[in-house]
Amino acid sequence: GAVVSQHPSWVICKSGTSVKIECRSLDFQATTMFWYRQFPKQSLMLMATSNEGSKATYEQGVEKDKFLINHASLTLSTLTVTSAHPEDSSFYICSARRLAGELETQYFGPGTRLLVL
Amino acid sequence: GQNIDQPTEMTATEGAIVQINCTYQTSGFNGLFWYQQHAGEAPTFLSYNVLDGLEEKGRFSSFLSRSKGYSYLLLKELQMKDSASYLCAVLDSNYQLIWGAGTKLIIKP
Repeated sequence: GAVVSQHPSWVICKSGTSVKIECRSLDFQATTMFWYRQFPKQSLMLMATSNEGSKATYEQGVEKDKFLINHASLTLSTLTVTSAHPEDSSFYICSARRLAGELETQYFGPGTRLLVL
Repeated sequence: GQNIDQPTEMTATEGAIVQINCTYQTSGFNGLFWYQQHAGEAPTFLSYNVLDGLEEKGRFSSFLSRSKGYSYLLLKELQMKDSASYLCAVLDSNYQLIWGAGTKLIIKP
């Protein structure tokens, strides 16, 4: 099956620093990638939709100046959490949309755990 | 508004069969997905239905009725490793995935 990687898998940082998370589709091109956040025992929350070559579309309540998204190529999207604070500690998951004929599927990366001290 | 409903939690016995239901009301429909998510891990793709009927894949089957806005995931011969959350998601008319809150499945020996 299709593979999506995320790096790093774990980040511990001090409050006020910025953290960059990379999401790569390894064996297919993804014109659209998604960034989710999941707090413990809660469901996935879509943060933004990342389109290659254009600006990301953010969900309501997500600060676009705090969560910078760059979809530089058909296989790479990055999420930068700027000036991270303890409340940003969460599990960040990316997914990549893959079209195969009429079948559209989202494949998820393994996720990145962010802990802000 | 758009809404997807599935039970919060279910319990079943190892070796048994369990059916997880999902009902949806969305603006348009371009398919329904089931994902499995183990605690602390990202979701993994299980199935995709866009036409009415039953799709079987090993121990897992997924059913869709578009007229009723209803789907279920059927898990047979349950194993302890099937303990996980199962997420129902619908692709709406804008090709956005609308997620259910997930069903936590607990398997008991």
